[in-house]
Amino acid sequence: GQQVQQSPSSLVLQEGENAELQCNFSSTATQLQWFYQSPGGSLVSLLSNPSGTKHTGRLTSTTVTKERRSSLHISSSQTTDSGTYLCAVNTNTGKLTFGDGTVLTVKP
Amino acid sequence: EAAVTQSPRNKVAVTGGKVTLSCNQTNNHNNMYWYRQDTGHGLRLIHYSYGAGSTEKGDIPDGYKASRPSQENFSLILELATPSQTSVYFCASGAENTLYFGAGTRLSVL
Repeated sequence: GQQVQQSPSSLVLQEGENAELQCNFSSTATQLQWFYQSPGGSLVSLLSNPSGTKHTGRLTSTTVTKERRSSLHISSSQTTDSGTYLCAVNTNTGKLTFGDGTVLTVKP
Repeated sequence: EAAVTQSPRNKVAVTGGKVTLSCNQTNNHNNMYWYRQDTGHGLRLIHYSYGAGSTEKGDIPDGYKASRPSQENFSLILELATPSQTSVYFCASGAENTLYFGAGTRLSVL
């Protein structure tokens, strides 16, 4: 089945620094989403990006479908960006498989 | 704004007891999902549904049943709860390009 690997598993930044999160998946996917989970909270969709580059606010996602990888770039990080970032990719049956996430900590 | 509501938010159950987790969505989405989240395992799919009356097995269905009596409601049922089912459970409803998650239910089975 679909395997999703995220790296790094954790990342600590100073406020204002940029973050680069990686997502690699094992099989062809037609759907890829990035989610944010606040500490102890629920998940919120950030971007849906099955291919190419998409921007929203300080977030940029680039997905290279043929290489089965996606990245999420967070520019000028803020303390409120702290939390877990999850990548989810669909399987050939349409179900989403999640990676284990990257825990981001932004220090003031 | 899409809305998914889970109840209860917290639950303590005894081993061998029956537990029902409820989920209601007002998004009119056909697809609904139940996931559990555990440290070291991320989110894992338990059951999902394509619409009222349909339930499908996800990746870890053993020990769980699901029920979708209507478009709006999707329940997860633990007939005989075990301590290994202690976890945080998330319900989600799906549109074409994204999922909308509920706030989660923290279940402890003692």
